[in-house]
Amino acid sequence: GQSLEQPSEVTAVEGAIVQINCTYQTSGFYGLSWYQQHDGGAPTFLSYNALDGLEETGRFSSFLSRSDSYGYLLLQELQMKDSASYFCAVSGRDDKIIFGKGTRLHILP
Amino acid sequence: KAGVTQTPRYLIKTRGQQVTLSCSPISGHRSVSWYQQTPGQGLQFLFEYFSETQRNKGNFPGRFSGRQFSNSRSEMNVSTLELGDSALYLCASSTMDRGRSDTQYFGPGTRLTVL
Repeated sequence: GQSLEQPSEVTAVEGAIVQINCTYQTSGFYGLSWYQQHDGGAPTFLSYNALDGLEETGRFSSFLSRSDSYGYLLLQELQMKDSASYFCAVSGRDDKIIFGKGTRLHILP
Repeated sequence: KAGVTQTPRYLIKTRGQQVTLSCSPISGHRSVSWYQQTPGQGLQFLFEYFSETQRNKGNFPGRFSGRQFSNSRSEMNVSTLELGDSALYLCASSTMDRGRSDTQYFGPGTRLTVL
């Protein structure tokens, strides 16, 4: 089967850096994705990692270690608008895309 | 390019009724997936359709069904509604380019309340 684990909540201060971890268990693996969802909104795509290493997109970076079945999303220079839920998702051999339960990011001024 | 659209946006039903939700994907996207989102449970995969065929199915009872039309529009149906079916139902479309970027483009969702 497939499962993902990520923290349910994380709190950080505006301007700081925060890391949201995701560990996964899957039969076959294509890649790890991250999505952001604001309250009342739809999830929107942030990043995708298929290979080990760090992918950087502006203030957001995502890391993957396939050997450890682990990844993280790094958010730098936090802004109040980054307050949202963040979901990791994996796609496996059976082509299903499975989402984690999400991490609620609280940002303090 | 227009995004994913879902109708209706809000729906109130009573137990035992059935409901049909509709999703129009981004033009050119042939894959449509459906997810159920409830507080604390994240997004749970319902099913995926590609070229009018169900390609994958999640662990939901047979009361949940769907279909896809030749224009890639998709519908999902829930029969004999239960209180626990109250949720946000999200539709997502993609090019289904597995093995590369699996970007799912989500619609705004349909908020279903079962009384």
